[in-house]
Amino acid sequence: GAGVSQTPSNKVTEKGKYVELRCDPISGHTALYWYRQSLGQGPEFLIYFQGTGAADDSGLPNDRFFAVRPEGSVSTLKIQRTERGDSAVYLCASSLSSGGIDTQYFGPGTRLTVL
Amino acid sequence: AQSVTQLDSHVSVSEGTPVLLRCNYSSSYSPSLFWYVQHPNKGLQLLLKYTSAATLVKGINGFEAEFKKSETSFHLTKPSAHMSDAAEYFCVVRISGTYKYIFGTGTRLKVLA
Repeated sequence: GAGVSQTPSNKVTEKGKYVELRCDPISGHTALYWYRQSLGQGPEFLIYFQGTGAADDSGLPNDRFFAVRPEGSVSTLKIQRTERGDSAVYLCASSLSSGGIDTQYFGPGTRLTVL
Repeated sequence: AQSVTQLDSHVSVSEGTPVLLRCNYSSSYSPSLFWYVQHPNKGLQLLLKYTSAATLVKGINGFEAEFKKSETSFHLTKPSAHMSDAAEYFCVVRISGTYKYIFGTGTRLKVLA
């Protein structure tokens, strides 16, 4: 079956611009995670959704970052007033339930470059 | 604070020899620990997970890991490396009572022919 998909695969933007990154989870997965992976580092937790609600957004670095999941499926990560330090690969993962120990299935990521 | 430390940023082994990737954790509670693998241009994939059941955990592709509370370790091993094992490996801990996962900095495994 289809895995987690993320669009676009690459995004180049200029400092100060607004960007949206999209994640399509595996059908039927209620849990969805966003991570950020900087070069040479492990993924860093950003936010966790259970259904439509953000159950834990403690990893969002500041109020320029926001994520939504209005229908409990597709999620969009939104970054306002982008900065060069936002350049990274943004990863999305989904899992079957909110048990916390369910296997997370990761998408291929969106590589964001802020010039 | 809960965290994981991967002790080696790079490991090189010859094909057919054992693999050992080291991970130490810090946790006040009984942790949930995971190993993920990231092949070039592919998504992260779960290798195995420890959730306070058996201390020796078997995963996919012949990998296994042993939870040792006395040593606060969760090292990943494989008896015989294959060329296809060349990838980046991440040790991960889930913060107790949350859905927040903390990844280590990764170990890049190189397999020599």
